[in-house]
Amino acid sequence: NAGVTQTPKFQVLKTGQSMTLQCAQDMNHEYMSWYRQDPGMGLRLIHYSVGAGITDQGEVPNGYNVSRSTTEDFPLRLLSAAPSQTSVYFCASSIGQGGGYTFGSGTRLTVV
Amino acid sequence: KNQVEQSPQSLIILEGKNCTLQCNYTVSPFSNLRWYKQDTGRGPVSLTIMTFSENTKSNGRYTATLDADTKQSSLHITASQLSDSASYICVVSLYSNDYKLSFGAGTTVTVRA
Repeated sequence: NAGVTQTPKFQVLKTGQSMTLQCAQDMNHEYMSWYRQDPGMGLRLIHYSVGAGITDQGEVPNGYNVSRSTTEDFPLRLLSAAPSQTSVYFCASSIGQGGGYTFGSGTRLTVV
Repeated sequence: KNQVEQSPQSLIILEGKNCTLQCNYTVSPFSNLRWYKQDTGRGPVSLTIMTFSENTKSNGRYTATLDADTKQSSLHITASQLSDSASYICVVSLYSNDYKLSFGAGTTVTVRA
């Protein structure tokens, strides 16, 4: 089925470890983005990309890195995990401005 | 301060009844207002998208309204079903950049038989 695929679904990290959250879409969407969702708060934008080779920071970019080498993939890297990064992470894609967003099913990350 | 406030935080309704969720926003000017449904443990799914010039948009039993003058939107659920139990999220985007979205914290709806 077409959509946004995120891996892994669950992950536990120790403080200071690094890891990459994977996101892939097969809808040929130019726009992709990463959000984090914390209890009692709305989703917050971490980084986004409007096309291959183009990325920009969102509201909460510190501690995260992204790159967009292909239209399909938009990985999110945690450089040195901290307990404050414990959250649920969602990747989303869109055909462009004014379009609907398709979200992945999320990655639940716990940093101990 | 969050630019999108939703109320109530949660509500419980009986199956078959109607309910209305509220969204107040301060994002201005804005380009689009979206409502999403998020089931527990899943990603948000789009219900409606309205531009600043639209007043109402329907998707089956879901009807969203928008009053740009008062900066308020509502989502009305008609004849609720058990499957409507979820969190409903209001999302507003900047006029200058539809990619930068402001999310409300959501209203959790529980439908009971």
